[in-house]
Amino acid sequence: KAGVTQTPRYLIKTRGQQVTLSCSPISGHRSVSWYQQTPGQGLQFLFEYFSETQRNKGNFPGRFSGRQFSNSRSEMNVSTLELGDSALYLCASSLGDRVTDTQYFGPGTRLTVL
Amino acid sequence: QKEVEQDPGPLSVPEGAIVSLNCTYSNSAFQYFMWYRQYSRKGPELLMYTYSSGNKEDGRFTAQVDKSSKYISLFIRDSQPSDSATYLCAMTTSGTYKYIFGTGTRLKVLA
Repeated sequence: KAGVTQTPRYLIKTRGQQVTLSCSPISGHRSVSWYQQTPGQGLQFLFEYFSETQRNKGNFPGRFSGRQFSNSRSEMNVSTLELGDSALYLCASSLGDRVTDTQYFGPGTRLTVL
Repeated sequence: QKEVEQDPGPLSVPEGAIVSLNCTYSNSAFQYFMWYRQYSRKGPELLMYTYSSGNKEDGRFTAQVDKSSKYISLFIRDSQPSDSATYLCAMTTSGTYKYIFGTGTRLKVLA
């Protein structure tokens, strides 16, 4: 079974630009979660989508948004980029039926904002 | 104060040592506790999860939860150089899929 894939793997943007990251979950998984990982703050939950609906949301500003398509693929968008948005963005997929369903993480997209 | 606190390390131990990794938390509503391992340039992978208090063992790994102290631990027996990675604790409440992670402890096992 193919794992979680994320594209692109690396991105360099400048302040003020916007960016879209993509996540393809494991086949059959309906839940996709997004996290931001930085050295100082660690892994921080952004949001979780299940069957095209946002089911949970973290404490990030509205510049961070996401969506999920009918095939469970998900995209995350960050508008008006700031230097502090530089981070590793990880997505994780799971069956999503139970809290204890294992989350499988992708390799991440490394975003650098200059 | 963060909801979940974890010592970032790094922690260096000789091969074969017993490793103890810990997290403390402040939200008494947390019910599910997980440990993830993350190798450099990879996403985290789930090692173990426990529900509520108690111990759980899986091979060389043992997870402990003490809800009265709001403290969780992961023990690694007979540590190997291949265990060198960052270990993250994570937890969530019942009925939500919002996982709160610790910042991770970097472990180095020396051959």
